Amino acid sequence: AQTVTQSQPEMSVQEAETVTLSCTYDTSESDYYLFWYKQPPSRQMILVIRQEAYKQQNATENRFSVNFQKAAKSFSLKISDSQLGDAAMYFCAYRSEESQGGSEKLVFGKGMKLTVNP
Amino acid sequence: DTGVSQDPRHKITKRGQNVTFRCDPISEHNRLYWYRQTLGQGPEFLTYFQNEAQLEKSRLLSDRFSAERPKGSFSTLEIQRTEQGDSAMYLCASSPGTRGEQYFGPGTRLTVT
Repeated sequence: AQTVTQSQPEMSVQEAETVTLSCTYDTSESDYYLFWYKQPPSRQMILVIRQEAYKQQNATENRFSVNFQKAAKSFSLKISDSQLGDAAMYFCAYRSEESQGGSEKLVFGKGMKLTVNP
Repeated sequence: DTGVSQDPRHKITKRGQNVTFRCDPISEHNRLYWYRQTLGQGPEFLTYFQNEAQLEKSRLLSDRFSAERPKGSFSTLEIQRTEQGDSAMYLCASSPGTRGEQYFGPGTRLTVT
């Protein structure tokens, strides 16, 4: 079974600075998807960024980028130019790729609370 | 609003009562997922549908839980004889079946007293 680990329960960052959130996972599959989701207080889960395991290029979405290290099974999220609106719980998640025949469920880490200080 | 919607947003019930939640996925998304999230934890998978077929159920989904997706559109999740341990946020998500990503609704927060 796949597992996702987020070892830092909380982090804080100053507005306009850069912060990196860490995530490790365990799997025996070769093809899969990895995601970062954001859950603001009392608001719904929002997809931040996705990465396909077969792609060597790290995904980027505006101020958000990932550092995907497949051999190390590491998937960190970098937030540049942090904004007050980035304050939220961040969840790392894993999903099997369709060709693997595995489950379509998302496997989440426990999450990390990000505080952005003005 | 074309996102995933859930109803009700909040439900308070007494132990032993039955409750039913509804999820309306994004139009044309053929996959629909239910998750449960307790305080301080990430969401845990409960079950998912492809169209009207329920393809996978977690061991978390005891026989007191049942989910349906008639006609492959909206879905309902029913909990019978609720227990205090059922108190959680119940999240619904949908997916078009490609690229792996799932889009979440706002959730239904259940409190069992």
